[in-house]
Amino acid sequence: DTGVSQDPRHKITKRGQNVTFRCDPISEHNRLYWYRQTLGQGPEFLTYFQNEAQLEKSRLLSDRFSAERPKGSFSTLEIQRTEQGDSAMYLCASSRAANTEAFFGQGTRLTVV
Amino acid sequence: GENVGLHLPTLSVQEGDNSIINCAYSNSASDYFIWYKQESGKGPQFIIDIRSNMDKRQGQRVTVLLNKTVKHLSLQIAATQPGDSAVYFCAESGNYGGSQGNLIFGKGTKLSVKP
Repeated sequence: DTGVSQDPRHKITKRGQNVTFRCDPISEHNRLYWYRQTLGQGPEFLTYFQNEAQLEKSRLLSDRFSAERPKGSFSTLEIQRTEQGDSAMYLCASSRAANTEAFFGQGTRLTVV
Repeated sequence: GENVGLHLPTLSVQEGDNSIINCAYSNSASDYFIWYKQESGKGPQFIIDIRSNMDKRQGQRVTVLLNKTVKHLSLQIAATQPGDSAVYFCAESGNYGGSQGNLIFGKGTKLSVKP
């Protein structure tokens, strides 16, 4: 499978715990995006990378959220001190460049209890 | 801020009929648009894209129309099948302000196909 891969697919965590998600983009895609989606809503932009550089962060990305793409390939999204409001589907997408086809992974569904 | 929205939240069509899903965008600086299909529990699936220098683009059973004058985007699905049942999102992007090609999504339209 050469599509965008996300791991894990599901995560249940207790409030206050830290969680980390991983995204493997399509090979040779320079851009990598993170989105969050809640039930009945469209994906909301969180942040994106151009290679290893994090170029833009949404106001939705509080101080508890951090994303990295250290080698310009895979990326991780960490949420510290999770809250119930963090429960959502976290989606990763990649594209070759700006304003080109962006392909999504299957997402990581986070449930904070 | 400016964002992408949809005219109709739900659409029900008969199998075999054509479907038209509409989307209004408000940012005239957007120059790239994508339609996605999302099935329950899955990530959005790329359907078709169009750039602002075009007004129509066709794919397999799908056509996207762009009307920049009224900032309107539509997705036409020919001979709609039960497998087309899903939520459809339009997304826009462009190089403006602090955004360099970031995709902004609307809320989605749920398409239900009746057999």
